[in-house]
Amino acid sequence: GAGVSQSPSNKVTEKGKDVELRCDPISGHTALYWYRQRLGQGLEFLIYFQGNSAPDKSGLPSDRFSAERTGESVSTLTIQRTQQEDSAVYLCASSRRQGQFDYTFGSGTRLTVV
Amino acid sequence: AQTVTQSQPEMSVQEAETVTLSCTYDTSESDYYLFWYKQPPSRQMILVIRQEAYKQQNATENRFSVNFQKAAKSFSLKISDSQLGDAAMYFCAYRSAKAQKLVFGQGTRLTINP
Repeated sequence: GAGVSQSPSNKVTEKGKDVELRCDPISGHTALYWYRQRLGQGLEFLIYFQGNSAPDKSGLPSDRFSAERTGESVSTLTIQRTQQEDSAVYLCASSRRQGQFDYTFGSGTRLTVV
Repeated sequence: AQTVTQSQPEMSVQEAETVTLSCTYDTSESDYYLFWYKQPPSRQMILVIRQEAYKQQNATENRFSVNFQKAAKSFSLKISDSQLGDAAMYFCAYRSAKAQKLVFGQGTRLTINP
């Protein structure tokens, strides 16, 4: 696609439910990143995928958070047993490969936990 | 760990005037990259300008320029001839040459007054 596509755009869920957020990177971009942006804050790194290498999960805040990516395609970020503190915008970015600066961000998913 | 600080939560400027947004960072590394991103209400992060730490010359992109002071660990953004379309959140970001993740500041909300 022409840009990074994220779905859903907005998600409201009840506390304790599981949610899945989807990111469709630009075709040919081997690197993919997830960030979290709490209201009025900067972006916090969550996880990084590069091709078929083991992902860098160092930013995941708890074991309720996980992400998958098959090859160089779509990625899903899963949050289990959601808490109100998980309410945030979740942004995805992709780049051609490791070391490149051409990060392209999606428009994010705004998650609200009620 | 690297940190990025933006001390101005909000700034405003008259249309056609010049405004400077401040950013300081903390790192023990000598090889890194610095970025300014713009985030409009669409939430998508848009790269404004990039600076490589090994370059002494300040980066410039049309009306946008930076003042990079490596010893002081300061990286300010100057916007000349401000336009209404410049209104957005602006984020300063750091990336180590050895890592892939971006470390963001808290952001500065820029308002342009007509």
